[in-house]
Amino acid sequence: GDSVTQMEGPVTLSEEAFLTINCTYTATGYPSLFWYVQYPGEGLQLLLKATKADDKGSNKGFEATYRKETTSFHLEKGSVQVSDSAVYFCALSDNRKLIWGLGTSLAVNP
Amino acid sequence: GAGVSQSPRYKVAKRGQDVALRCDPISGHVSLFWYQQALGQGPEFLTYFQNEAQLDKSGLPSDRFFAERPEGSVSTLKIQRTQQEDSAVYLCASSSRLDAYEQYFGPGTRLTVT
Repeated sequence: GDSVTQMEGPVTLSEEAFLTINCTYTATGYPSLFWYVQYPGEGLQLLLKATKADDKGSNKGFEATYRKETTSFHLEKGSVQVSDSAVYFCALSDNRKLIWGLGTSLAVNP
Repeated sequence: GAGVSQSPRYKVAKRGQDVALRCDPISGHVSLFWYQQALGQGPEFLTYFQNEAQLDKSGLPSDRFFAERPEGSVSTLKIQRTQQEDSAVYLCASSSRLDAYEQYFGPGTRLTVT
């Protein structure tokens, strides 16, 4: 079945560092891809999304590009802030339901 | 406007007890999902409703789990004869779209079975 693999955390960065969180997927069709974020003590929030190959999703300085040839959807941000500390989940849609990665915890130090 | 709400936020149950978890989706959202999230894991799909119809219950782990959405709005997830392995956060999500492309999540109910 469909699956999502994320890089393991925790990831610890200094403020203003460059962030990459790797995400690859396995799917029989052409799913939509998502990044969700869970801030401490809060619920899951949609961060960005992409529906087809070469689409780039972006929000709050984060970006991810749907790469069909490498089945990847890596999350990037050029300069992280302390407020970006959270758990990030990569997910794909499979007939409406979401298939999730394990999540990557990010801690940004001032 | 109001987001997805869930109650209770925390529930402690003794093994063998029955529990009921409630989800109030965003008003007018046709699609509703339940997910289970174990500690340190990503969410796992349990079941999906389109209005009052339960279209997919393939993720329910056993026949002790039952979900309903009788009027196409509020949903209840019921777990009978709880077991320790049922301890998890139960997440509800809703979407305004039939294809459920964007799902909005509630804060979850943390269930602890002792």
